[in-house]
Amino acid sequence: EPEVTQTPSHQVTQMGQEVILRCVPISNHLYFYWYRQILGQKVEFLVSFYNNEISEKSEIFDDQFSVERPDGSNFTLKIRSTKLEDSAMYFCASSEMGLATYEQYFGPGTRLTVT
Amino acid sequence: DQQVKQNSPSLSVQEGRISILNCDYTNSMFDYFLWYKKYPAEGPTFLISISSIKDKNEDGRFTVFLNKSAKHLSLHIVPSQPGDSAVYFCAASAVGSSNTGKLIFGQGTTLQVKP
Repeated sequence: EPEVTQTPSHQVTQMGQEVILRCVPISNHLYFYWYRQILGQKVEFLVSFYNNEISEKSEIFDDQFSVERPDGSNFTLKIRSTKLEDSAMYFCASSEMGLATYEQYFGPGTRLTVT
Repeated sequence: DQQVKQNSPSLSVQEGRISILNCDYTNSMFDYFLWYKKYPAEGPTFLISISSIKDKNEDGRFTVFLNKSAKHLSLHIVPSQPGDSAVYFCAASAVGSSNTGKLIFGQGTTLQVKP
């Protein structure tokens, strides 16, 4: 069964450093998402991406965040200058269409720890 | 932002009995609701969904009920099995006003099914 993969599974970085979280969505999917879950809190929407541009972003997704689809398979989330409060589990998801009625398949997540 | 709320952080039931997980929402624009299941070290996995034009949707052991007037939905699992032990997330989307697939999640309820 096709699945979304994410690397690395755990990333430790120092405050102020740049990190890139990588995702390989399901190959025929067109819509891509990043969500995050701070420990003990709810899963929060960060951004949706379609046709090489952001279709919607949350207020969490400020200028420190960016997303890119550098080639036909990868989808990345970059945090330019990490803060302690960026420590969270980051989930990538993809779907065939950009409607909630189409199932979003989630990756296993990258645990980001900012020290 | 508490648009989707799961007020019970945990639930414990005996194998074979019914599990009822509850979810409340505040945004009347939500018209599509989903339940996701999450095991440790994995991403959320879609379980079942319901459109606001329905009040019930059933899939095997899983049934979701929607009460629009109360802005409340529930997930029933009958009979519960030990393999159902996981964190269950309620999620909502405003499909009619958004074509991005953005999901708003609740905090999750940890279900433990005892053998």
